[in-house]
Amino acid sequence: DTGVSQDPRHKITKRGQNVTFRCDPISEHNRLYWYRQTLGQGPEFLTYFQNEAQLEKSRLLSDRFSAERPKGSFSTLEIQRTEQGDSAMYLCASSFPRADTQYFGPGTRLTVL
Amino acid sequence: AQKITQTQPGMFVQEKEAVTLDCTYDTSDPSYGLFWYKQPSSGEMIFLIYQGSYDQQNATEGRYSLNFQKARKSANLVISASQLGDSAMYFCAMREGEDSSYKLIFGSGTRLLVRP
Repeated sequence: DTGVSQDPRHKITKRGQNVTFRCDPISEHNRLYWYRQTLGQGPEFLTYFQNEAQLEKSRLLSDRFSAERPKGSFSTLEIQRTEQGDSAMYLCASSFPRADTQYFGPGTRLTVL
Repeated sequence: AQKITQTQPGMFVQEKEAVTLDCTYDTSDPSYGLFWYKQPSSGEMIFLIYQGSYDQQNATEGRYSLNFQKARKSANLVISASQLGDSAMYFCAMREGEDSSYKLIFGSGTRLLVRP
């Protein structure tokens, strides 16, 4: 399977715990994006990487959120001290350089109890 | 500011008939791209079709076509010969500008239900 993969697919955690999600983009895609989707809404942009550089962050990305892409391949999104409002689907997408189409992974559904 | 509006929260269509899902957008940038994605209940966003702001012809991909009316700032998705597997959420999205992150702005979606 050469599509975008995400792990885990589902995560249930208690409020206050830290969680980390992983995204493996399509190989040769140097652009990687994270989005968050709450119930009944469209995805909202969180952050963007070009290779290993994080070039843009949304105001939605509070200081409890951190994302990395250390070698320009896979990326991780960590949420510290989770809150119930963090419950959402976290989607990762990747694209070729200066290409329009983003291809999405299956998402990680986070539930904070 | 960029904005995508999808005014149909839900739509029904009979199997084998055509259906149009509405999308209007707002941008002041002359260069932009418009997308439609399908999201089945499994959650994955599946790319369907793309239209660039400078494209002269409406985009088509198999049973999907995009009715692009630039002056009206609309980019409606037409699905011909609906199939039961077309039942899903459909999102219209836009990216603005050329020297930027190419991040996508999404509408709130339309849930399509295909009746047998």
